[in-house]
Amino acid sequence: GNSVTQMEGPVTLSEEAFLTINCTYTATGYPSLFWYVQYPGEGLQLLLKATKADDKGSNKGFEATYRKETTSFHLEKGSVQVSDSAVYFCALGGSRKNTNAGKSTFGDGTTLTVKP
Amino acid sequence: EAGVTQSPTHLIKTRGQQATLRCSPISGHTSVYWYQQALGLGLQFLLWYDEGEERNRGNFPPRFSGRQFPNYSSELNVNALELEDSALYLCASSLAGRYGYTFGSGTRLTVV
Repeated sequence: GNSVTQMEGPVTLSEEAFLTINCTYTATGYPSLFWYVQYPGEGLQLLLKATKADDKGSNKGFEATYRKETTSFHLEKGSVQVSDSAVYFCALGGSRKNTNAGKSTFGDGTTLTVKP
Repeated sequence: EAGVTQSPTHLIKTRGQQATLRCSPISGHTSVYWYQQALGLGLQFLLWYDEGEERNRGNFPPRFSGRQFPNYSSELNVNALELEDSALYLCASSLAGRYGYTFGSGTRLTVV
């Protein structure tokens, strides 16, 4: 079945440092890929998405490229801020049919703390 | 535009009782998804409703059930509550899942 493996955290960085959070996946077909962010006490927010191979999703300085050959979707940001401190989830989109219908598969989440 | 709204925000129940959680999707979204986020277990898929029908469910016992109403809002019911049901229950909606979900802020269920 589908699965997502995310870089284990927690990750602690200084402000303005470069961020990479690794994400690899196993899937049948060609699912959409997503990064979500969860701030303390809140639900998840969609950060960016890519719907096909070689697509690059980007938002708020974050980027991730859908790499079919390496089955990866690593999250990057060139210069992190204190306000980026949160939990980041990589996810595979569900299909419209079969046992994965409607079911997104999430990684375990990576906690990022950015210190001033 | 209002986002996905969930109620109540917090719920405390005694073991063996029933809990009812509610979700209103974004206007125009016909699909509603329920996830359980238990400490240390990540997000586990519970249920998917679309156009009033249950389309898929995750690996949860039958005491987890729900429904979707004609206005696309949804209700999650958990019967015979157990201590391990304590978790954050997240509802999400989408127009087409391929483009991602919009999540609500969740209902924190505590079973004592």
